[in-house]
Amino acid sequence: EPEVTQTPSHQVTQMGQEVILRCVPISNHLYFYWYRQILGQKVEFLVSFYNNEISEKSEIFDDQFSVERPDGSNFTLKIRSTKLEDSAMYFCASSVGRDWRGAYEQYFGPGTRLTVT
Amino acid sequence: LAKTTQPISMDSYEGQEVNITCSHNNIATNDYITWYQQFPSQGPRFIIQGYKTKVTNEVASLFIPADRKSSTLSLPRVSLSDTAVYYCLVGRSTYKYIFGTGTRLKVLA
Repeated sequence: EPEVTQTPSHQVTQMGQEVILRCVPISNHLYFYWYRQILGQKVEFLVSFYNNEISEKSEIFDDQFSVERPDGSNFTLKIRSTKLEDSAMYFCASSVGRDWRGAYEQYFGPGTRLTVT
Repeated sequence: LAKTTQPISMDSYEGQEVNITCSHNNIATNDYITWYQQFPSQGPRFIIQGYKTKVTNEVASLFIPADRKSSTLSLPRVSLSDTAVYYCLVGRSTYKYIFGTGTRLKVLA
C-alpha cells in the first residue's frame, strides 16, 4: 500500500536556527498539506499546496514558514528561525483531490517530532 | 461549516462493540462524513467515509440515518490496539482541514 513518508523522524534544533522537514507524498496525489500538533493538543492545519503553489494557509503559517516542491517527489516545510513554541509533531499529508464536500481522504505521514531548545 | 459534536472520551472492554456518535445538525446536502483515527505520536489515519445509509469496510461500519444529522462509527470487537482518538469530519470541515478534539477511546483488558 502506498504511503506518505517523512524525514527525519525527530529533529532537535536550537532557537533561531532554520529547519527543513521533508516529505514524500504518494506519487499520484496532487494535493499536499502540512499540519502540526503540539503535545496534547489538536491537529492544526498549516498549509495546502497544489499545482506548485500555496492554495490555502492558516494564520499559524506566517512569514517564518515556507513550503516547496523542489522536484517531482519531495515536499518540504521550512521554518526560518525556530522558536520554542514551534516544538511539535509536524505531519505531512496528501490527497488525490480536494472538494468542499469532503469527498477525498487525506493520507498522513508518520510525522517529524521537532524539538526546539 | 458543519459543526460536529462527539463525546470527549469513552471506555470499553476488549471484545466489545464500540459505537461513537457524531452530531452534525447543519450538515449540507452534498457533504460527506469522514472518520479518522489517531494513535499517540502518529498521524491521523483514514478509517471510513460515507454519504448516506451504511458503509462497511474491513475496519469499521458507518451508520448514517436518513436525516444525516448524525453518524455513528461502529468498531466491532475492539482490542487494546484500538485505543486511539477518533475524529469525525463533515464536508467543509474536511475541506477546511479542521480536526476537532475527537473522541478519546480507551480499551481496557
